[in-house]
Amino acid sequence: GAVVSQHPSRVICKSGTSVKIECRSLDFQATTMFWYRQFPKQSLMLMATSNEGSKATYEQGVEKDKFLINHASLTLSTLTVTSAHPEDSSFYICSAAQEPANYGYTFGSGTRLTVV
Amino acid sequence: AQSVTQLGSHVSVSEGALVLLRCNYSSSVPPYLFWYVQYPNQGLQLLLKYTTGATLVKGINGFEAEFKKSETSFHLTKPSAHMSDAAEYFCAVSDQGTYKYIFGTGTRLKVLA
Repeated sequence: GAVVSQHPSRVICKSGTSVKIECRSLDFQATTMFWYRQFPKQSLMLMATSNEGSKATYEQGVEKDKFLINHASLTLSTLTVTSAHPEDSSFYICSAAQEPANYGYTFGSGTRLTVV
Repeated sequence: AQSVTQLGSHVSVSEGALVLLRCNYSSSVPPYLFWYVQYPNQGLQLLLKYTTGATLVKGINGFEAEFKKSETSFHLTKPSAHMSDAAEYFCAVSDQGTYKYIFGTGTRLKVLA
């Protein structure tokens, strides 16, 4: 079945530094990828939708300059948290779809970001 | 706007007992509905989905859900709970215009020995 690999699974960084999270579709081409943020014991909050070859669409309230999303190929999307602060600490999850209309979304295993 | 309400943030059942996790939705158009399971520090795994057709949907691991339009519900059930079912469960509705998911707040299922 479809597999989405997300890397790293855990990362600790210092305040003020940037962190890049990768989301790869391993056995299919993903025209659309979604990035979510999940706070402890809470639901998933959609941050942005990225489509291959075009700019990401950010949800209201999400700082596009802080959370840089790049979807340069049909198998890779990256989320870069720039100038990270402790309040950016969270669990970030991506999902990918080959054909969004079929709702065959596959989720990555998530990245636990801790900013110290 | 679409929304999802999951009643009960925590549900405890005994091993072998019926599992019932409740989900109600709000949608002005025919919805697509989903149930996902999340184990600690992991991503989400699709249990089942309803798009069109038969309203009783069977999924993986013995779970099933029934779409009831009149009740705007999509409750998840499993006849006999297993210890390995302990996890967080999320109900979601799709936005058919943008293909985005709208997730409920989740229900943590605890299975007692």
